[in-house]
Amino acid sequence: AQSVTQLGSHVSVSEGALVLLRCNYSSSVPPYLFWYVQYPNQGLQLLLKYTTGATLVKGINGFEAEFKKSETSFHLTKPSAHMSDAAEYFCAVSEWPDSSYKLIFGSGTRLLVRP
Amino acid sequence: DVKVTQSSRYLVKRTGEKVFLECVQDMDHENMFWYRQDPGLGLRLIYFSYDVKMKEKGDIPEGYSVSREKKERFSLILESASTNQTSMYLCASSLNGGNQPQHFGDGTRLSIL
Repeated sequence: AQSVTQLGSHVSVSEGALVLLRCNYSSSVPPYLFWYVQYPNQGLQLLLKYTTGATLVKGINGFEAEFKKSETSFHLTKPSAHMSDAAEYFCAVSEWPDSSYKLIFGSGTRLLVRP
Repeated sequence: DVKVTQSSRYLVKRTGEKVFLECVQDMDHENMFWYRQDPGLGLRLIYFSYDVKMKEKGDIPEGYSVSREKKERFSLILESASTNQTSMYLCASSLNGGNQPQHFGDGTRLSIL
């Protein structure tokens, strides 16, 4: 069965610093992986996804993630943090083909950006 | 752009009431999902539906039911609301395919007094 682990429930960075949010997955098949962002009192918004092909995936708002099969990781990065990046971030893996099209979500990482 | 609309952003109800949360998507998606989100517990799947009139239990279905009479609409029903159902409720939809993302509504913050 697929699973997702996000290391660090809270990450704090200074404005302008590198953002690194960690995600490790477990999957018996080549995975489909997703990163979502949630701003306060809003739903989840898709940042980026990995399905097949290029292992470095670029998303919205300057974020990118690299799929590393050997490390079973899909870490999210952004070269320079902005105050507007403060939010909660969720990594997810598709449960397909084990069952239907559900997503398995990590527990989330709250990103704090210090001025 | 996919639009998932939840009928209320904030809702206050009383213990024992029957509560309906409505969700509508405009992109002809086959799959629809209801989650609840609580601090420290992440997103937990309540029910999902992969076709009209079809439904499957998620991880925490107790105390809830769902209805999907039309493809675009998925309703979550709290049969007899209790205080422990105070939470943020999120609806999502997706196309068929393991590589398809889920698209979320803005959520309903439900308080049961």
